[in-house]
Amino acid sequence: QLVLTQSPSASASLGASVKLTCTLSSGHSSYAIAWHQQQPEKGPRYLMKLNSDGSHSKGDGIPDRFSGSSSGAERYLTISSLQSEDEADYYCQTWGTGIPVVFGGGTKLTVL
Amino acid sequence: EVQLVESGGGLVQPGRSLRLSCAASGFTFDDYAMHWVRQAPGKGLEWVSGISWNSGSIGYADSVKGRFTISRDNAKNSLYLQMNSLRAEDTALYYCAKAPAAAAGPIDYWGQGTLVTVSS
Repeated sequence: QLVLTQSPSASASLGASVKLTCTLSSGHSSYAIAWHQQQPEKGPRYLMKLNSDGSHSKGDGIPDRFSGSSSGAERYLTISSLQSEDEADYYCQTWGTGIPVVFGGGTKLTVL
Repeated sequence: EVQLVESGGGLVQPGRSLRLSCAASGFTFDDYAMHWVRQAPGKGLEWVSGISWNSGSIGYADSVKGRFTISRDNAKNSLYLQMNSLRAEDTALYYCAKAPAAAAGPIDYWGQGTLVTVSS
């Protein structure tokens, strides 16, 4: 079964960097994912599509501070030079060969 | 500019029906798959249903299978979700979302959502 696992919370200081992790279930380590950001009281926003080889393509207007990388079944979102507006929930999402998509449980990022 | 505008949400009693609509603009609607994703209060994102560009492929979450029906009208650039036999646990903000592909793939644009509250 295709499942994405995320840590419920993370924190980092203003101006620092943080690396969020999304882990694909066993047997699915070759799958691409997408990262989405949801700021408080707002709808989600697409950040990027991240492939298993670490290559990624970002959505419209996404700053260079956001980058992605991959290692095995793990997919990472790194945010550098953290700003207050980066405090948000971050969701990873994947898909199979058909229509259904799967979301991870989300990580709540606190900027200290 | 891609725009997805949901409508049709509201307060409804358990067991009743509601139809959500999503008006799409700023892209060639009939080239892309579309999805409905919901978020219960204080919870994470939950995929509800999706439909390919030509309605040839459709999927539903187990939690709504048999009660919800997704459809699209490419001539009207619109996506719909017919929700029947509504339950309290269907209470959520419902988002319309676009995929950058005709069928399987990620989501690359989101609407702002329409709130559905199921309560007596």
